[in-house]
Amino acid sequence: NAGVTQTPKFQVLKTGQSMTLQCAQDMNHEYMSWYRQDPGMGLRLIHYSVGAGITDQGEVPNGYNVSRSTTEDFPLRLLSAAPSQTSVYFCASRPTGLNEKLFFGSGTQLSVL
Amino acid sequence: GENVEQHPSTLSVQEGDSAVIKCTYSDSASNYFPWYKQELGKGPQLIIDIRSNVGEKKDQRIAVTLNKTAKHFSLHITETQPEDSAVYFCAASLRALGKLIFGQGTELSVKP
Repeated sequence: NAGVTQTPKFQVLKTGQSMTLQCAQDMNHEYMSWYRQDPGMGLRLIHYSVGAGITDQGEVPNGYNVSRSTTEDFPLRLLSAAPSQTSVYFCASRPTGLNEKLFFGSGTQLSVL
Repeated sequence: GENVEQHPSTLSVQEGDSAVIKCTYSDSASNYFPWYKQELGKGPQLIIDIRSNVGEKKDQRIAVTLNKTAKHFSLHITETQPEDSAVYFCAASLRALGKLIFGQGTELSVKP
């Protein structure tokens, strides 16, 4: 199994540009989430979804949009990139129920100039 | 909402020594406390977790303890090895809400 796949691995944007970070999982997990990782700040939750058609905000949602049209995919959209969004982004998924282990992708390193 | 504080931010130990990382959480309703290990260039991976109805859990060289009254939990690594060098994250969640909130991370360095 591929697990959680994130694309691209690296991206450089100019301020004001838009882009979508892709996340796909092949484990039939209902729960999916996006985190950003910054030095000294740990992993901060951006948005999460408990199933297709359902999304909710995390700790730092401003500047990001998400949608969940299928169980497999959970894209993260930056509508107008800002330098403050320079970070490493991780997508993670887990099954619902008692098993709460999160499975992380390998990350997308984003630089906004 | 939940807030998780993690200390220390960096920790250096000699191979064979023990390492302890501590976390505190703010929401007394949180009931699930995992620890993740992140190696360079990779996503975090779960190494051990504990639920609020248990005070301690061990898995070989790693153990986690939970003090619900004080709202803190700790990761203990014994007989450290160079391959234990990584960034470790604690986290807390209220299962019903599904959100996992992480601490700031601890960079552990094990010197041979």
